[in-house]
Amino acid sequence: GENVEQHPSTLSVQEGDSAVIKCTYSDSASNYFPWYKQELGKRPQLIIDIRSNVGEKKDQRIAVTLNKTAKHFSLHITETQPEDSAVYFCPSNFGNEKLTFGTGTRLTIIP
Amino acid sequence: DAGVIQSPRHEVTEMGQEVTLRCKPISGHNSLFWYRQTMMRGLELLIYFNNNVPIDDSGMPEDRFSAKMPNASFSTLKIQPSEPRDSAVYFCASSLGGGARGYTFGSGTRLTVV
Repeated sequence: GENVEQHPSTLSVQEGDSAVIKCTYSDSASNYFPWYKQELGKRPQLIIDIRSNVGEKKDQRIAVTLNKTAKHFSLHITETQPEDSAVYFCPSNFGNEKLTFGTGTRLTIIP
Repeated sequence: DAGVIQSPRHEVTEMGQEVTLRCKPISGHNSLFWYRQTMMRGLELLIYFNNNVPIDDSGMPEDRFSAKMPNASFSTLKIQPSEPRDSAVYFCASSLGGGARGYTFGSGTRLTVV
């Protein structure tokens, strides 16, 4: 099955600066790469996803890039704001049947 | 669309009691997932259903845990008997198309077993 490693586990960024979270996967057949955000006390929510036929996708201040050769994909948040503080997940996608999440990356935006 | 609806939002129970968590997926979604979240273990997949059929229950920690999906609009997760280590937030999620589409999570049930 798929194994995804996410790092860092914690990240603190000054407000206004950029944040980058990286995930490395093992299965070259993987073709769907989502990112979820979970604010404190709330549910995880899909914020952006990318498929293997696309190298980059943007949505306002967030973007995801995919490097299929190196088998990694990254979440980029620019001009960070306090509301970006949350836990971010890049779940493993097993055969397009299920997603497994793990502990994620805790991002803290410092005012 | 009301989204994925879970009940109750909070549950406090005594050790040894039976606990039943409920979930109503988004209408039309054919996959349903139960997750448990703790600080130490993160967000763990317990079991998932496709078209009301349990597909993978390998994440269910013990025989004390059971899940059912009697129809497309309702699922339950039962713990009997409950133990303090079961204390966690339990999330239900649904999707159209398994893991290849975005999941929508419910608000979760915070379970405390004392």
